[in-house]
Amino acid sequence: AQSVTQPDIHITVSEGASLELRCNYSYGATPYLFWYVQSPGQGLQLLLKYFSGDTLVQGIKGFEAEFKRSQSSFNLRKPSVHWSDAAEYFCAVGDGGFKTIFGAGTRLFVKA
Amino acid sequence: NAGVTQTPKFQVLKTGQSMTLQCAQDMNHEYMSWYRQDPGMGLRLIHYSVGAGITDQGEVPNGYNVSRSTTEDFPLRLLSAAPSQTSVYFCASSALGQPSGANVLTFGAGSRLTVL
Repeated sequence: AQSVTQPDIHITVSEGASLELRCNYSYGATPYLFWYVQSPGQGLQLLLKYFSGDTLVQGIKGFEAEFKRSQSSFNLRKPSVHWSDAAEYFCAVGDGGFKTIFGAGTRLFVKA
Repeated sequence: NAGVTQTPKFQVLKTGQSMTLQCAQDMNHEYMSWYRQDPGMGLRLIHYSVGAGITDQGEVPNGYNVSRSTTEDFPLRLLSAAPSQTSVYFCASSALGQPSGANVLTFGAGSRLTVL
């Protein structure tokens, strides 16, 4: 069965520092991969997606993610974090049918 | 441009009561789904639908019913609420016709349910 692991429950970074959030997936074929962001009290919003092609994908708000098949990873990165990036981030994989499987999430705290 | 609308935003129930969480979308999306979000567990799929009259179970369907009589609406029914159903519930929709399994979900703002 497909699964998604986000090893870090929470991460704290200083404003202006770089960020990397880790995501590992388990899936037999080429996966459809997503990162969503949830601000406090809000629903989830799509940051970026990978379906095929270039393994480095760009998203909204200056985020990018790199698909590495050999490592079964899809890590999210941002070169310089802003205070407004504080939120919870979810990695997800499409199961090839009609289901999207989510990881447990990583909560990002940003220090001034 | 409403997107996905969920009502109510907050609800408190007593054990054994029933209620319906409403979800409506105005994007003509074929696919609609319900997730529950619990701390440390991410989002878990309860039920989903790929069109009017078509529903199927997700990971955690027990205790919940759904129906899809129109493209726009996908209500979630709790027939006899239990404290284990205390959670935040999200409705999400997507257009189909993308590669299968590549649903880009649009989420509602959530409904927080407490069962005493």
